[in-house]
Amino acid sequence: DQQVKQNSPSLSVQEGRISILNCDYTNSMFDYFLWYKKYPAEGPTFLISISSIKDKNEDGRFTVFLNKSAKHLSLHIVPSQPGDSAVYFCAASAETGETSGSRLTFGEGTQLTVNP
Amino acid sequence: KAGVTQTPRYLIKTRGQQVTLSCSPISGHRSVSWYQQTPGQGLQFLFEYFSETQRNKGNFPGRFSGRQFSNSRSEMNVSTLELGDSALYLCASSWISWREKLFFGSGTQLSVL
Repeated sequence: DQQVKQNSPSLSVQEGRISILNCDYTNSMFDYFLWYKKYPAEGPTFLISISSIKDKNEDGRFTVFLNKSAKHLSLHIVPSQPGDSAVYFCAASAETGETSGSRLTFGEGTQLTVNP
Repeated sequence: KAGVTQTPRYLIKTRGQQVTLSCSPISGHRSVSWYQQTPGQGLQFLFEYFSETQRNKGNFPGRFSGRQFSNSRSEMNVSTLELGDSALYLCASSWISWREKLFFGSGTQLSVL
């Protein structure tokens, strides 16, 4: 049961344009969402996160939007740069309390290619 | 500050063997998590350790086990390897809070022949 889904395995955009990566989730208990970026031969690196009490969080060129009613989040990158070419994973976690530890549920990833 | 270090980077094993992977978290981080990445499957949570105790566990068979030492270093063991265990195994650490962002190592690429 894939609780977090990224339906687009790949996305190609031109440099300077907007990149929009999408993610859907099914578990209504998820209340914290993150995006990670992964380059080949490296581990994922944290990009941006959002709590379910917000519907938008912005950090420089990166903005994450959360639509709780649709159980959908998206990552916008504006403007896109060739160095943004990587695999992007969305991840989600549910409130379980500190004694239960951390556990992220990841999507399958979307390969973003930004063409010069 | 040094990042999360995983050793070895690559491993080739045959079916039926067992393997141990190692992870050294960022200095001061007490939580270590393990994830399996396979093509098209994203990252699947294996388990998380905090202060030498397994605090959370994913849906993997008992052949997958782990432990954490007093210096927060962690090891993951897979016994009786199967072809389907071929994957990138990623370790991640965080300081203490279970809602903090995770810092990942570069992973160990395991190939089972």
